[in-house]
Amino acid sequence: GESVGLHLPTLSVQEGDNSIINCAYSNSASDYFIWYKQESGKGPQFIIDIRSNMDKRQGQRVTVLLNKTVKHLSLQIAATQPGDSAVYFCAENRGGGGSNYKLTFGKGTLLTVNP
Amino acid sequence: KAGVTQTPRYLIKTRGQQVTLSCSPISGHRSVSWYQQTPGQGLQFLFEYFSETQRNKGNFPGRFSGRQFSNSRSEMNVSTLELGDSALYLCASSLDPGLEGNFGPGTRLTVL
Repeated sequence: GESVGLHLPTLSVQEGDNSIINCAYSNSASDYFIWYKQESGKGPQFIIDIRSNMDKRQGQRVTVLLNKTVKHLSLQIAATQPGDSAVYFCAENRGGGGSNYKLTFGKGTLLTVNP
Repeated sequence: KAGVTQTPRYLIKTRGQQVTLSCSPISGHRSVSWYQQTPGQGLQFLFEYFSETQRNKGNFPGRFSGRQFSNSRSEMNVSTLELGDSALYLCASSLDPGLEGNFGPGTRLTVL
């Protein structure tokens, strides 16, 4: 069935290294993707988004790459810091945006940054 | 600008009871979505409201319902609570549907 999944449930990196979190999606009709960060005891926090007409989008220390050919999404965090430790979710809008907005989330990847 | 607020933050109920959760969106945001988060199922979409109308609904039983008021505040209700309803219930608001949601801290519901 259709799903948004993550390749790795956990990722451990050293402080200062770059982190890459991956996500696969199966619905080629999805047109909007979002990465969220969730810290313990808090709600998800928006990091960055990308629309299907783009391949790459950059933010502050983060880059999202979208490969529509293989239906793959990744989040790259540069110079990872201890404060980046959290669960990261990718979310997919399968509703075609607009009036049929319905986000579907992946299971999440736990990122642990070691000092 | 104040963020999304949810009340109460924690709630303990027993099976068979009903519960109402409240969400106040960011000022000016007209779209409110609700999600259930559990360790086993992750984040699952419940429903989405815009201009007091439910525009989309997830795959949950009819015991789960919601509404949105004219000031965009939203409530969700769960009737005849079951143990499996124990979860973190998250509300997200956005200016319009189709934009990224700003999540509140959630309401932790425990059903005993």
